[in-house]
Amino acid sequence: GAVVSQHPSRVICKSGTSVKIECRSLDFQATTMFWYRQFPKQSLMLMATSNEGSKATYEQGVEKDKFLINHASLTLSTLTVTSAHPEDSSFYICSAPITGMNEQFFGPGTRLTVL
Amino acid sequence: AQKITQTQPGMFVQEKEAVTLDCTYDTSDQSYGLFWYKQPSSGEMIFLIYQGSYDEQNATEGRYSLNFQKARKSANLVISASQLGDSAMYFCAPLPPGQDTGNQFYFGTGTSLTVIP
Repeated sequence: GAVVSQHPSRVICKSGTSVKIECRSLDFQATTMFWYRQFPKQSLMLMATSNEGSKATYEQGVEKDKFLINHASLTLSTLTVTSAHPEDSSFYICSAPITGMNEQFFGPGTRLTVL
Repeated sequence: AQKITQTQPGMFVQEKEAVTLDCTYDTSDQSYGLFWYKQPSSGEMIFLIYQGSYDEQNATEGRYSLNFQKARKSANLVISASQLGDSAMYFCAPLPPGQDTGNQFYFGTGTSLTVIP
């Protein structure tokens, strides 16, 4: 089956610093990837759609200047949390669809803790 | 975004029994398919089952089956012969029609299932 990886799996940073999270499709090309955020005991909330070769599309209420998304290639999308604060502590998970298939393939997630 | 409702925040089931997890969605279009995903405590999202809106028969994948009622906009997940490893969060997500939607998912609020030995 298709595999999506995320790096790092866990990160702890100080308030005010920036953190980059990578999402890679390992055995398929993904022109589109999705970024979700999940707070404890809550559902996954779609943050943005990452598009290879163009700007990301952000969901309402998500600050594009705080959550920078770059879809550098057909297998890599990055999410940078800029000037992170404790309220940004969350589980971030990416997914990628494969053309012609309805199913999405999820990465294992990144747990961010901002001190 | 669509409104997706999972009315059972927490469910308990005895091992080896069957359990039904509810999911309803509020959309203007009946041409929606629906996914169910399982999320254990590790956080990974595990695909369970999918049914397209035009599928005649309810989908079945091993111990998982869907009770899909398009007119009522509900797609309940039935897990038969529950196992301890079924303890997890379960999320449903409607799939909008058409390929140009980008296949983004808007998940329901989730149901926490605990299987009791």
